[in-house]
Amino acid sequence: GAVVSQHPSRVICKSGTSVKIECRSLDFQATTMFWYRQFPKQSLMLMATSNEGSKATYEQGVEKDKFLINHASLTLSTLTVTSAHPEDSSFYICSASQPGQGLYEQYFGPGTRLTVT
Amino acid sequence: DQQVKQNSPSLSVQEGRISILNCDYTNSMFDYFLWYKKYPAEGPTFLISISSIKDKNEDGRFTVFLNKSAKHLSLHIVPSQPGDSAVYFCAASEWSSGDKLTFGTGTRLAVRP
Repeated sequence: GAVVSQHPSRVICKSGTSVKIECRSLDFQATTMFWYRQFPKQSLMLMATSNEGSKATYEQGVEKDKFLINHASLTLSTLTVTSAHPEDSSFYICSASQPGQGLYEQYFGPGTRLTVT
Repeated sequence: DQQVKQNSPSLSVQEGRISILNCDYTNSMFDYFLWYKKYPAEGPTFLISISSIKDKNEDGRFTVFLNKSAKHLSLHIVPSQPGDSAVYFCAASEWSSGDKLTFGTGTRLAVRP
């Protein structure tokens, strides 16, 4: 159990376009989902916390107008990178907390590699 | 400000031997610690966790030790297997921040056959 999927796994887009990444909890309802970004050989950096039915909470330094997060249902959260630039190229990972499971344990999706040309 | 640090970017160990991965933290409010394993181009998978009220937690080949006074934790893998080769992240959380995790920079473990 506790499977989280992401789609797409890889995406290449042109500078100035927008890209949407989906994160789904497949076999549980996730009231809270998290979006991370990972640069090569660096740590996972939390971008935002997303709660179903409410606005996402962004970490300091993350542009909320650039990284739009929608958590429309208990099994789906989306991250839209708007007006993408080459510096947005990164590995984006989502995770979800499963209610009733171990404290603070998050289940991660497989990640999405975004390349902006 | 890196609140969770893994000072060894890489570690190489012979199969069958012990692997010890270290993690230091600066935020004394952290009260729960986790270790994740990550393969390239995949999301992290949860390995083991420990609450600040304990100093040791064991699960099969994996043991996590916590030294609160030194703000240090370590992950021991015994015996190490080639399939353990991956990047290991430690992560920490504090009660007041809910489920938010702060990750270390990771240590790449290579287990030699």
